[in-house]
Amino acid sequence: AQSVSQHNHHVILSEAASLELGCNYSYGGTVNLFWYVQYPGQHLQLLLKYFSGDPLVKGIKGFEAEFIKSKFSFNLRKPSVQWSDTAEYFCAVSSHNTDKLIFGTGTRLQVFP
Amino acid sequence: KAGVTQTPRYLIKTRGQQVTLSCSPISGHRSVSWYQQTPGQGLQFLFEYFSETQRNKGNFPGRFSGRQFSNSRSEMNVSTLELGDSALYLCASSFSASGSNEQFFGPGTRLTVL
Repeated sequence: AQSVSQHNHHVILSEAASLELGCNYSYGGTVNLFWYVQYPGQHLQLLLKYFSGDPLVKGIKGFEAEFIKSKFSFNLRKPSVQWSDTAEYFCAVSSHNTDKLIFGTGTRLQVFP
Repeated sequence: KAGVTQTPRYLIKTRGQQVTLSCSPISGHRSVSWYQQTPGQGLQFLFEYFSETQRNKGNFPGRFSGRQFSNSRSEMNVSTLELGDSALYLCASSFSASGSNEQFFGPGTRLTVL
């Protein structure tokens, strides 16, 4: 069965610090990988996605993620966080030909000015 | 372009009652998925519908059911409510259930079971 692990449950950073959130998945076949963000009081929205091709994908608001197939990982990075990045971040995986998403437990990011 | 809408936004029920939640996808989207979000279990997949057909179902008891109409609108129903059903229920829509289209999430329906 598919599963997604997010190792960091709560991350606290100061503005301008660099961010890396870990995500590992378990699945034997071809997968689609996603990072979603949920800002306080707002809808879940897509940050970035990987389907195929270049394993380094860039998303909105300066976020990027790298797919490392040998490590079953899809870590999220941002070189310099802002206070407005305070949110909950979810890694998710789906298999081919379905919209069914398996989510990780989420990482709560707090950025202090 | 209007986003995914869910009604009602908030709902309070008592144990044993049943509830119906509604989701209207973005115009032109034919795939609708439902998720349950709780602090303890996180986001868990409930159902996936495409063109009125249930394509996938999550690991939830039979008290949870759903359907999709010809206009792509979807409803989910929970019968014999339990305290543990208190959660935020999210609906997401996409153009097709290919896995490679972006899914757009609605604001959710917050269900409280007393």
